Amino acid sequence: QKEVEQDPGPLSVPEGAIVSLNCTYSNSAFQYFMWYRQYSRKGPELLMYTYSSGNKEDGRFTAQVDKSSKYISLFIRDSQPSDSATYLCAMGSYGKLTFGQGTILTVHP
Amino acid sequence: GAGVSQSPSNKVTEKGKDVELRCDPISGHTALYWYRQSLGQGLEFLIYFQGNSAPDKSGLPSDRFSAERTGGSVSTLTIQRTQQEDSAVYLCASVSSGMVNEQFFGPGTRLTVL
Repeated sequence: QKEVEQDPGPLSVPEGAIVSLNCTYSNSAFQYFMWYRQYSRKGPELLMYTYSSGNKEDGRFTAQVDKSSKYISLFIRDSQPSDSATYLCAMGSYGKLTFGQGTILTVHP
Repeated sequence: GAGVSQSPSNKVTEKGKDVELRCDPISGHTALYWYRQSLGQGLEFLIYFQGNSAPDKSGLPSDRFSAERTGGSVSTLTIQRTQQEDSAVYLCASVSSGMVNEQFFGPGTRLTVL
């Protein structure tokens, strides 16, 4: 079993939809939780990070962490075609990150 | 802006040849990571440099892989006697000393081994 599991999708939604991306993990030592976005043929870029259980909101994006269930989510409200990308969850401790497989998201007009 | 740069952007080589991939991190960043991303896969950790400490090589898949970081800045990942399964995108990331968890990625080097 991988330390971090992420449904690879692909996920296709209409513009304006609410998108839910999820990861589960098995390592209780993970201290911080992150979401990266990766456009085609580009390096990943950090979207959001958090250290604690609960919700963190940034514009149209909400990151949710449930440490008791070892489950994290990223919600995208009012999705736009420009949100079409691969979304990678990542979790870390002591400076190292473990990445999920990535979910390919397409938002069509 | 002065982000992380990697060269070459693409590299095609023949099986058995050696390759060198270069990473120029953001100036002043003390930590540097190498990852490998295969088609449809997440990022596989390879090696991690933090300041002057000994690198964490725990992710290197075989002794054909090595990396060095000169002067605490530029890093080179070397793959000897390349195999077809080495074909992947190799990504480099750097981190500021104050934010050890926010990794800034370069655009990657796409390696194809024929």
